[in-house]
Order: sequence, then structure tokens, then C-alpha cells
Amino acid sequence: DAGVIQSPRHEVTEMGQEVTLRCKPISGHNSLFWYRQTMMRGLELLIYFNNNVPIDDSGMPEDRFSAKMPNASFSTLKIQPSEPRDSAVYFCASSLTGQGPYEQYFGPGTRLTVT
Amino acid sequence: AQSVAQPEDQVNVAEGNPLTVKCTYSVSGNPYLFWYVQYPNRGLQFLLKYITGDNLVKGSYGFEAEFNKSQTSFHLKKPSALVSDSALYFCAVRDGGRDDKIIFGKGTRLHILP
Repeated sequence: DAGVIQSPRHEVTEMGQEVTLRCKPISGHNSLFWYRQTMMRGLELLIYFNNNVPIDDSGMPEDRFSAKMPNASFSTLKIQPSEPRDSAVYFCASSLTGQGPYEQYFGPGTRLTVT
Repeated sequence: AQSVAQPEDQVNVAEGNPLTVKCTYSVSGNPYLFWYVQYPNRGLQFLLKYITGDNLVKGSYGFEAEFNKSQTSFHLKKPSALVSDSALYFCAVRDGGRDDKIIFGKGTRLHILP
């Protein structure tokens, strides 16, 4: 398997623009997680889905952030409008859950820079 | 609420020496514990996990971790450090029987000195 796939790997945009990050989980996995990593705040869980349904979005910073999972093989994280403080590395992870505490597998991340 | 603490921001170890990266946790139910490693400009990689059974868990790259229920700890260990082990290490915990969310520690940067 190719692992978790994220695109783009790098994104540079200007403040106020819309940004869309994409994730393809590992085939067969039924849970998907979006994280944000910064030096100041470390690794933060933004939202996670189980069987394509959002379960916990309490980590989403504000209404500018939204996430969707229209099917089992694709998810997006959208920031509109973007701000310089959104600059971070965004990770997507997937796992197989429901029958046991399976570990999460992470994608390579998207490095977002908002100028 | 579940939580995990990594008390050391950085650990320095000479190559060939044993290493320990500390982790303590707090959960209301049975803990499911994990260690991950992150190399520069990469995503987190799973190293090992404790669910139940033997308190000593063996994982990838020669790493192992010891679960200690009385001390609520899950320290990561390796008998002989390699320079290539230099990376950022995360401990994580899930409250067994609850939702699928895993809480990560802040990470410990491990430097192996040649």
C-alpha cells in the first residue's frame, strides 16, 4: 500500500486566500484524523472522522476551518480566509478502529505558509 | 480526561550508550499506549504499542518500552543508541473503551552524540 497520501506537500499563499488540503487514507481504514503541528503548540488534533462521519471537531480553531470526508478514500481540510497564524504543517492520519486500539498511520504532511 | 506528559524536551545520549525517553500518562480506564518517531520533514512513524499482556513491549529499530501501571509510566528504551536514532519522539495514549482519539505528548527531541 502507498500509505496515507497528502497533497500538496507545500503551499504558499497570501493572507485572505482560500486553502484546500487533501488526504487519501490507507485503503480499508475507517478512521481519519487531521492534525496541525507548530513549534509553539506542538501536535494538535483538529478533527477526526469515523466511517466518513465527523466525530469530534473540538480542535478546529475557528469557523474559518472546515473539513469534509465525502467518501472513504478522500478528505479535505479547507481554510477560508487564511491568516499568517495558520502557517504550520498539517498532517492527515488514518487507522482501522472499532475492533481494537489500532495505531494511526501518518501522511508526509502539507507545509502551509501564509504570507 | 486522558493526558500524557513527556517531562524532557530534549535528551542527549552518547552513541552506544543506553537511552531512555520518559512518558507518564493519565486515563480513567485501561490505557492503550503508543510511541511514535518523527524524522525531519517527515510524518510520524509508529514504533510500538502496549494494549495488554507483557509489560515489556518490543518495537521497530530495536526500541522497547516498559509499561508500569503503578507509576503510570511508559518509558521508551534502547540498549545501545545509534546516531540515526536522533529524532523527535512522541508518546501517546488512548483511553481504552472510549472513542478513537489518541492524545499525543509534546514530544522529546533525542540527540545521539557521535
